[in-house]
Amino acid sequence: DSGVTQTPKHLITATGQRVTLRCSPRSGDLSVYWYQQSLDQGLQFLIQYYNGEERAKGNILERFSAQQFPDLHSELNLSSLELGDSALYFCASSGTSGSYTGELFFGEGSRLTVL
Amino acid sequence: GNSVTQMEGPVTLSEEAFLTINCTYTATGYPSLFWYVQYPGEGLQLLLKATKADDKGSNKGFEATYRKETTSFHLEKGSVQVSDSAVYFCALSDRGGTALIFGKGTTLSVSS
Repeated sequence: DSGVTQTPKHLITATGQRVTLRCSPRSGDLSVYWYQQSLDQGLQFLIQYYNGEERAKGNILERFSAQQFPDLHSELNLSSLELGDSALYFCASSGTSGSYTGELFFGEGSRLTVL
Repeated sequence: GNSVTQMEGPVTLSEEAFLTINCTYTATGYPSLFWYVQYPGEGLQLLLKATKADDKGSNKGFEATYRKETTSFHLEKGSVQVSDSAVYFCALSDRGGTALIFGKGTTLSVSS
């Protein structure tokens, strides 16, 4: 158990809809990262938050957005969904910069299926 | 930009065979290097890491050595088991606090 919790584990929705994925990081971790895993693209970094502030952006579409709340949990919002958005979305967390070793701790993922 | 290239899979081996999964990287400076493993239906777990040149990371019989001169971090295991069947990802981090950059992953299947 990594200590990172993601909900929901599975989600099936239709094209054009909007969904929200939720992540609770390990206790004490200030950084949250979102990744998308698909068969053809592998693991793609989407976005990182650190203590409530956006820290880095990767290959995140404009239809997607995220935020990190004061209690450090994070949400990834996916809107105007397309078939190609079907993927496994992972959240990961890491410790404070002072103790950072490079290791990310991953949740079990949220599998999104867009029909 | 920074990138990681892994050998294409799948890799299919018999139990007790020797395993090598190749990984090379492109990065400025001195990145930290990682191998993560993803078992079926689970998230990624750190398998081993190395933070500077010539470091050897090891865990559960797996080893990888950080080779700056060849920009490589190949994963090896002397005798694989069926339970090692999983997807293996090589990754790098160019500095503390940043996202990891992953290779595309290599699927390993071990049969008894």
